[in-house]
Amino acid sequence: NAGVTQTPKFQVLKTGQSMTLQCAQDMNHEYMSWYRQDPGMGLRLIHYSVGAGITDQGEVPNGYNVSRSTTEDFPLRLLSAAPSQTSVYFCASSYREDRGDEQFFGPGTRLTVL
Amino acid sequence: QKEVEQDPGPLSVPEGAIVSLNCTYSNSAFQYFMWYRQYSRKGPELLMYTYSSGNKEDGRFTAQVDKSSKYISLFIRDSQPSDSATYLCAMTPYGNNRLAFGKGNQVVVIP
Repeated sequence: NAGVTQTPKFQVLKTGQSMTLQCAQDMNHEYMSWYRQDPGMGLRLIHYSVGAGITDQGEVPNGYNVSRSTTEDFPLRLLSAAPSQTSVYFCASSYREDRGDEQFFGPGTRLTVL
Repeated sequence: QKEVEQDPGPLSVPEGAIVSLNCTYSNSAFQYFMWYRQYSRKGPELLMYTYSSGNKEDGRFTAQVDKSSKYISLFIRDSQPSDSATYLCAMTPYGNNRLAFGKGNQVVVIP
């Protein structure tokens, strides 16, 4: 099993550009989520999904869109990047969403917006 | 007030020392309490998991949860240089898996 994979590892964008951060898992997990990690702020939940076709907002959803068309993939889209979105982004997955199941994290994508 | 408070100050200890980390929280609905370890430029990985109050031990690691005080702790005995990492507390209520994280503590174990 590859676990949770994320691409790209690094990305530099200019303000106003759009891009999609990819996340995939091969563990047949129902629950997937996106976090951002900023210095001094810890990890904050952006969006999450409890299954294919079902997504919802987390703590800091503004400026980000998600969709979940398959169990395996959960891409995060930045429609118009802003410098405030410079961060490290982590995707995570777990088998279920209702029991505090262990969440497995990907290696992260480091995004810089100029 | 943030739901989970973790003093983010770095911690340097000599090899073999006991490391003590803690978090406080305000949401009484939290039922699942975790500690994640994150090495530099890597994703977090689950280290300890506790449901409700009590202690849990796994090798050199002990996690404690005191729900009456809304306080959780992680102890690392006989610390090793390989324990040098950032430790994040996280918690979630029953019924969902939306983790609330503390800011993390960077721990450096000096050989």
